[in-house]
Amino acid sequence: QVQLVESGGGVVQTGGSLRLSCAASGFTFRDYGMHWVRQAPGKGLEWLAFIRYDGSNQYYADSVKGRFTISRDNSKNTLYLQMNSLSAEDTAMYYCQVITVTWGQGTLVTVSS
Amino acid sequence: EIVLTQSPGTLSLSPGERATLSCRASQSVSNNYLAWFLQKPGQAPRLLIYAASSRATGIPDRFSGSGSGTDFTLTISRLEPEDFAVYYCQQYGHSPFTFGQGTKLEIK
Repeated sequence: QVQLVESGGGVVQTGGSLRLSCAASGFTFRDYGMHWVRQAPGKGLEWLAFIRYDGSNQYYADSVKGRFTISRDNSKNTLYLQMNSLSAEDTAMYYCQVITVTWGQGTLVTVSS
Repeated sequence: EIVLTQSPGTLSLSPGERATLSCRASQSVSNNYLAWFLQKPGQAPRLLIYAASSRATGIPDRFSGSGSGTDFTLTISRLEPEDFAVYYCQQYGHSPFTFGQGTKLEIK
């Protein structure tokens, strides 16, 4: 079945880095643009980044531009989010998303001092 | 940036009633690329509607989406107990691909 599975979350210190992965299955990954979205505890959904189906273009929210990098490997059906210079405000559940298809179950990132 | 405003913030209804949720955009959404999601506590969001009115796979036909341009509506014809949750709209016509702030549908 169609599935997205995130991994790579955890506890990281302020100023640290983390790389999230999103493994896709059940659909033709290389045909779809992919998004990262996050949700801080008790808050709404915040769109973070988008990458086109072929990786040719990337778009970012202002809140993460210059710190986060979205990438993909179509040979591995995997999406990535490299997160640098993390702060407490980045503490959230991180989801990968194909808007017209499905969401992953999320991976929790906690930034602590 | 397109700002999406959802209303009401909270909607209190009873099972069997009809629910109407609104999502208003600050400017026209390209190609009516507007999606609706449902999120229950402790779960990931789930796609209900995309392209304003296309029902996602496996979504019951009591859910319907309508609208175009700047005004969009999600209608649930007869509420079931499992429908009480938070609903979000998202536009994906132009970056940044913004979300509304959500409407909480609660049992009256």
